[in-house]
Parts: sequence; C-alpha cells; structure tokens
Amino acid sequence: EAGVTQSPTHLIKTRGQQATLRCSPISGHTSVYWYQQALGLGLQFLLWYDEGEERNRGNFPPRFSGRQFPNYSSELNVNALELEDSALYLCATDRTGGDDSNQPQHFGDGTRLSIL
Amino acid sequence: AQSVTQLGSHVSVSEGALVLLRCNYSSSVPPYLFWYVQYPNQGLQLLLKYTSAATLVKGINGFEAEFKKSETSFHLTKPSAHMSDAAEYFCAVSEFTSGTYKYIFGTGTRLKVLA
Repeated sequence: EAGVTQSPTHLIKTRGQQATLRCSPISGHTSVYWYQQALGLGLQFLLWYDEGEERNRGNFPPRFSGRQFPNYSSELNVNALELEDSALYLCATDRTGGDDSNQPQHFGDGTRLSIL
Repeated sequence: AQSVTQLGSHVSVSEGALVLLRCNYSSSVPPYLFWYVQYPNQGLQLLLKYTSAATLVKGINGFEAEFKKSETSFHLTKPSAHMSDAAEYFCAVSEFTSGTYKYIFGTGTRLKVLA
C-alpha cells in the first residue's frame, strides 16, 4: 500500500512569490491535514479537509489556503511568501469522516519550503 | 481547552539505558492519545496509540506508554535505548468536540542516544 505522498520534496521561492504544495492520501483516506513545522516551533495545525470541504483552520493568515479534489488529494497554496514561511510542511491523512477520533494520522515526508 | 505538554525539549540517555519521555495533556472529554516519532527529513510515524482500552499500550520498536488519568499523563518508555532511537518524538491528543475534530501535538522531544 502506498503511503502519503507529498510533492515537491523541496521548493525554493523568493519573498512575494506563491507556492503550491501537493499531497496524495493513502487509498481509502478521505481526510487531509496540513501542518507547518518551523524550526523550534513544533507542528502547527494549518488546515483540515474532509470529503472536499474545509472542516477546520488553524491560526494562520488567509494567504494560506488550500483545496481538496474529488480523488481526495489536496493542495496547499501560500501566497505573498514571507521569510518566516520557511518550514517543513507536512500532510497527514486518515479515514475519519469526523466521528472517529481514535484514528491515527499517517504522515508524508513533507515539503521543505525555503524562502530566500 | 485541549493541550499537550512535553517536558524537556531535549533528552539524552546512554545506549542501553531506560528511555522516559514525558507527556501531559488536558482535555475536556476522554482523550485519544498518540506518540509519533520523526526521523530527520521524514514525516511522523505512529509509535502507539491509546483509545480507552488497556491503559498500558505497547507500540513498535519496543516502546510503550501508560495512560494515567489521575495524573493526566501519557509518558513514553523503552527499557533499553538503541542508537537507532535517536529522533524527535511527538505526543498528540485528539478529541471530537463541538462537531469538529482536533489533533493537538506537543512541541516535541529530541532524544539523543550516547554511545
């Protein structure tokens, strides 16, 4: 069974540009979560998508957005990039439809976004 | 409010020594608790989870954790550390409240294993 796949592995951008990160879930998983892991800050919850809808959002500005496609894959878009957006962005997926809290999340290896 | 606290951002143990990584949580409802491990340049891998069955949970790679409701703790242990255990460890809690579903992660503990 293929795991959660994220692309690209590394992404280098400059301030003000826009970045698009992609995530493909494990087959059968409908929920996709995005986290930002900046140096020294642990995992910060960004967004949760389930069944194509945004279900929850972390404390991030609107320039962080995303979507989930009918095949449950997801994109994270970051507009007007700032230096502090440099981080590892992790995608996690699970089977839940919102009523099964005991499902662990399965993580991809992340996209390392570097802002120059 | 739901929260997770990991005591000690860095822990060093000698090879063969006991590993103890501490996690305390707060939750308004009975929680589900998880421990994850992250190796360099990789995502998080599930070590074990507590879902209100046995309070002592055994995971992969010889790790286990005990849920102690009275102490609101879920500490991770391993009897004998291996060099390959050097990594960052995250405790997480999830609960379904108010019609939504939240995972909260601790800030992580970096484990260093000394030869």
